[in-house]
Amino acid sequence: KQEVTQIPAALSVPEGENLVLNCSFTDSAIYNLQWFRQDPGKGLTSLLLIQSSQREQTSGRLNASLDKSSGRSTLYIAASQPGDSATYLCAVILTGGGNKLTFGTGTQLKVEL
Amino acid sequence: NAGVTQTPKFRILKIGQSMTLQCTQDMNHNYMYWYRQDPGMGLKLIYYSVGAGITDKGEVPNGYNVSRSTTEDFPLRLELAAPSQTSVYFCASTERVQDEQYFGPGTRLTVT
Repeated sequence: KQEVTQIPAALSVPEGENLVLNCSFTDSAIYNLQWFRQDPGKGLTSLLLIQSSQREQTSGRLNASLDKSSGRSTLYIAASQPGDSATYLCAVILTGGGNKLTFGTGTQLKVEL
Repeated sequence: NAGVTQTPKFRILKIGQSMTLQCTQDMNHNYMYWYRQDPGMGLKLIYYSVGAGITDKGEVPNGYNVSRSTTEDFPLRLELAAPSQTSVYFCASTERVQDEQYFGPGTRLTVT
């Protein structure tokens, strides 16, 4: 059974700092890995999608990397802003896994002024 | 472009009542999913569908039923609501397995 772990569970940083969120998964036979953002009381917003054949994806200040062999992904946020405060979730789909996303429990990020 | 819409936004049910959570997508996606999110937890898959007329169980299907009569709609039915079904329910869709999933805003359900 695929298990997805995110460390740390919570993180507080001052504005302007660069930061890294971690995601690890136990089964490397994945289609892709997706990073989401969730604001309190809201739905999920897709940030980045990395296919299993890719090493990284970038969107603005966000960069996500994928190392399938070690079962790890990182989300790098450059020059953090208070508006980045949210919970960040990673999720993977297994090949042959019935099209199901398996989610981590998330990292709650707070960027302080 | 509305994307994925869910109704209602909030609902309070008494134990033993039934209700249907509605989900509609206007992107002509084949795949649709229902997840639940409990406080402090990640999302868990309840049911999914790979196309009209085809549904399958996810990780936590007990107490729920689904149908997919059209490409656009994927309602989730709760029969005999129980306090353990208090959660936030999210619907999602995607065109292909390898594509990103798009989520609705969620339905917050309380069973008392």
